[in-house]
Amino acid sequence: GAVVSQHPSRVICKSGTSVKIECRSLDFQATTMFWYRQFPKQSLMLMATSNEGSKATYEQGVEKDKFLINHASLTLSTLTVTSAHPEDSSFYICSAPLLAAGTRNEQFFGPGTRLTVL
Amino acid sequence: GESVGLHLPTLSVQEGDNSIINCAYSNSASDYFIWYKQESGKGPQFIIDIRSNMDKRQGQRVTVLLNKTVKHLSLQIAATQPGDSAVYFCAETLSGGYNKLIFGAGTRLAVHP
Repeated sequence: GAVVSQHPSRVICKSGTSVKIECRSLDFQATTMFWYRQFPKQSLMLMATSNEGSKATYEQGVEKDKFLINHASLTLSTLTVTSAHPEDSSFYICSAPLLAAGTRNEQFFGPGTRLTVL
Repeated sequence: GESVGLHLPTLSVQEGDNSIINCAYSNSASDYFIWYKQESGKGPQFIIDIRSNMDKRQGQRVTVLLNKTVKHLSLQIAATQPGDSAVYFCAETLSGGYNKLIFGAGTRLAVHP
């Protein structure tokens, strides 16, 4: 099956710093990727849709100036958490859909990035 | 609507028993539904899907039932094994194209030997 990777797998940073998380589709091209945030013992909350070559689409309540998304190529989307604060500590997960004729439109998820802001 | 920040309910079962995990979805226009399994510290893993023109679909040891009238999904796991212990989420979306997934609240399945 298709593989999506994330880097780093975990990061610890000081309050006020910025952190960049990468999401890569390893064996397929993805013009669209999705970013989710998951707090402990909760469900995945969609943050934004990353679009290759154009602006990301943010869900209601997600600050676009705080969570910068760049989808510069067909295999890479990055999420930058700017001026991170402890409340931004969470598990960030990306996904990339693979459309194939005659089959389900499956989304493949990355392994997630654990962000801890001190 | 979006999934709310509720704490996960837990379903405890004995190894070998059948498990049934339920999920309510929110958008009556959704026509494609997926069940995911998430182990601790990992991303969601696809289990089984179903389109709205079906009410039942079977896989290996798993069955998904869809009741569009009440917007309800269930996942049945036969002969539950310790390796099935994880959190299970349903997700809804519109089929065709790059459509976003909306996740349900999730259920933690704990399998006891």
